[in-house]
Amino acid sequence: DTGVSQDPRHKITKRGQNVTFRCDPISEHNRLYWYRQTLGQGPEFLTYFQNEAQLEKSRLLSDRFSAERPKGSFSTLEIQRTEQGDSAMYLCASSGEAADTQYFGPGTRLTVL
Amino acid sequence: DQQVKQNSPSLSVQEGRISILNCDYTNSMFDYFLWYKKYPAEGPTFLISISSIKDKNEDGRFTVFLNKSAKHLSLHIVPSQPGDSAVYFCAARTSYDKVIFGPGTSLSVIP
Repeated sequence: DTGVSQDPRHKITKRGQNVTFRCDPISEHNRLYWYRQTLGQGPEFLTYFQNEAQLEKSRLLSDRFSAERPKGSFSTLEIQRTEQGDSAMYLCASSGEAADTQYFGPGTRLTVL
Repeated sequence: DQQVKQNSPSLSVQEGRISILNCDYTNSMFDYFLWYKKYPAEGPTFLISISSIKDKNEDGRFTVFLNKSAKHLSLHIVPSQPGDSAVYFCAARTSYDKVIFGPGTSLSVIP
């Protein structure tokens, strides 16, 4: 069990550029979640996959955001035309069938200049 | 509209004493509650949880108490250790597996 991994750990980009983050969940977990965390706040739910199906999306997820989990394993989160307000820590978590506990990755810190 | 509230942004406790972190929630549909600990530059780490059908869960130095009528839960750490210094997030799960986090309480354990 290698835990949840995320890549990259840090990303600095210019406003207007597109960025893509990757999350590899714990191998036997079928549920995968994306969260965003800003300074002084707890993680905010963005979206949730069960296997390859995206079951729920937050209103926080604007049209510029898209997430995929094509084979029910790793997931990607893409942000198009980044804005300074997108600067945050993007966290991925996974859980098993019982869905009782979500285990988090180390996060990707995005800075939009 | 914050469904999970942690009204103390920070807490300082002497090493060896008890740390009590509080959390209030508004949604009576929450069925599962969790506490996470977070160090800087790391993702949150699961600490302890409690089902809504219980009022207490204990794991070593950590105990979580749930008062459903008051919509209140608390995390007790005893004895507190310097390594416990971190941000603690209270979280609550809805029936659709979405977890709502509170804003966090920063705990400092002073040696």
